[in-house]
Amino acid sequence: QKEVEQNSGPLSVPEGAIASLNCTYSDRGSQSFFWYRQYSGKSPELIMFIYSNGDKEDGRFTAQLNKASQYVSLLIRDSQPSDSATYLCAVKPEGGNYGQNFVFGPGTRLSVLP
Amino acid sequence: DAGVTQSPTHLIKTRGQQVTLRCSPKSGHDTVSWYQQALGQGPQFIFQYYEEEERQRGNFPDRFSGHQFPNYSSELNVNALLLGDSALYLCASSYPGPKNTIYFGEGSWLTVV
Repeated sequence: QKEVEQNSGPLSVPEGAIASLNCTYSDRGSQSFFWYRQYSGKSPELIMFIYSNGDKEDGRFTAQLNKASQYVSLLIRDSQPSDSATYLCAVKPEGGNYGQNFVFGPGTRLSVLP
Repeated sequence: DAGVTQSPTHLIKTRGQQVTLRCSPKSGHDTVSWYQQALGQGPQFIFQYYEEEERQRGNFPDRFSGHQFPNYSSELNVNALLLGDSALYLCASSYPGPKNTIYFGEGSWLTVV
């Protein structure tokens, strides 16, 4: 059973601080990793994806991947109240030619306090 | 450029009934998948369609079935509804190829009473 684990939170940070969201996965052969943001009552929207070990930056967001430790993280710099949402970590398992069978974690609820 | 569109947005059904949910993928996307998201949980993969055939399936019973049409749109059918089927049903689509990511529609909220 391929699993993705996240701390459900809530994670509360003050406005302007760095929010750090973590995710671990069980399938060592996984190659692709994704972060989605989901506002209450809405559908998930893609924030970032990462394939290689190391860091990938996009604006205020940085994704970090360590395949040896089977660990993915998302850093949000200069957090804003509008960043308050649930953040879903998703992993695409190895194998298969069609590639839409993502495995999602339960999500971490982030609250940015003004 | 329209994104992934789903209908209906909300619906209420009675236990034992059947439901059909519909999805049109984003322009240029030919692969469609369906996910179930129960309250407080992450989305769970139901199945994926490509070239009008079911290509991969998650751990869902045969009560869940689907179809893809020549224009790449898709339907999700759930028979003999149970209270536990109450959830947000998400359709996702992607460009061809296993390395491409998926984009979700706004979802269909199903309540079974």
